[in-house]
Amino acid sequence: DAEITQSPRHKITETGRQVTLACHQTWNHNNMFWYRQDLGHGLRLIHYSYGVQDTNKGEVSDGYSVSRSNTEDLPLTLESAASSQTSVYFCASSERETGELFFGEGSRLTVL
Amino acid sequence: GEDVEQSLFLSVREGDSSVINCTYTDSSSTYLYWYKQEPGAGLQLLTYIFSNMDMKQDQRLTVLLNKKDKHLSLRIADTQTGDSAIYFCAESRSGGYQKVTFGTGTKLQVIP
Repeated sequence: DAEITQSPRHKITETGRQVTLACHQTWNHNNMFWYRQDLGHGLRLIHYSYGVQDTNKGEVSDGYSVSRSNTEDLPLTLESAASSQTSVYFCASSERETGELFFGEGSRLTVL
Repeated sequence: GEDVEQSLFLSVREGDSSVINCTYTDSSSTYLYWYKQEPGAGLQLLTYIFSNMDMKQDQRLTVLLNKKDKHLSLRIADTQTGDSAIYFCAESRSGGYQKVTFGTGTKLQVIP
């Protein structure tokens, strides 16, 4: 069965360190997204991609970057982690017709 | 820009109907979605409705859309304890060709 997987599921890091969250999908979807989930804010879009070599900024992109070198993967990098980036991060992919999003299980990141 | 609003919390008794409400601001929204998030998991699509429809029914779920007031609701009939979750309203201008904007989520608590 097709799926979307995130790793690591849990990570604790220190302020200033670089962190990369991995996202891998086997749906063969062109569209991929990174969201963060925080209490009272719902899901906020960080970055998204409509295909290989395409990346776009979402509403909360500062301090984050992504790259899309193949269809399956969209890694999210925090260049210099800050305590404000403590959150649960969700990767998703979507098919083009209805835009239904298929979500990973989430990565809980704590920045101390 | 797009904005989607929901109340944060709803409590109902098992067997009663639940109604979760959502308002959105983007008059160009074409697809409107309801997602469900169970504890510790990613979101899963429950149902969606096109903006040219005013109602959609799927077993215990009924979605009502008032496009004039930009108001979307999800009714769950005969609510069960397994329906306890966070429900997110979301919108997109053109399905998979545009990003999806989420509301803050409504936490539904079902009391046995």
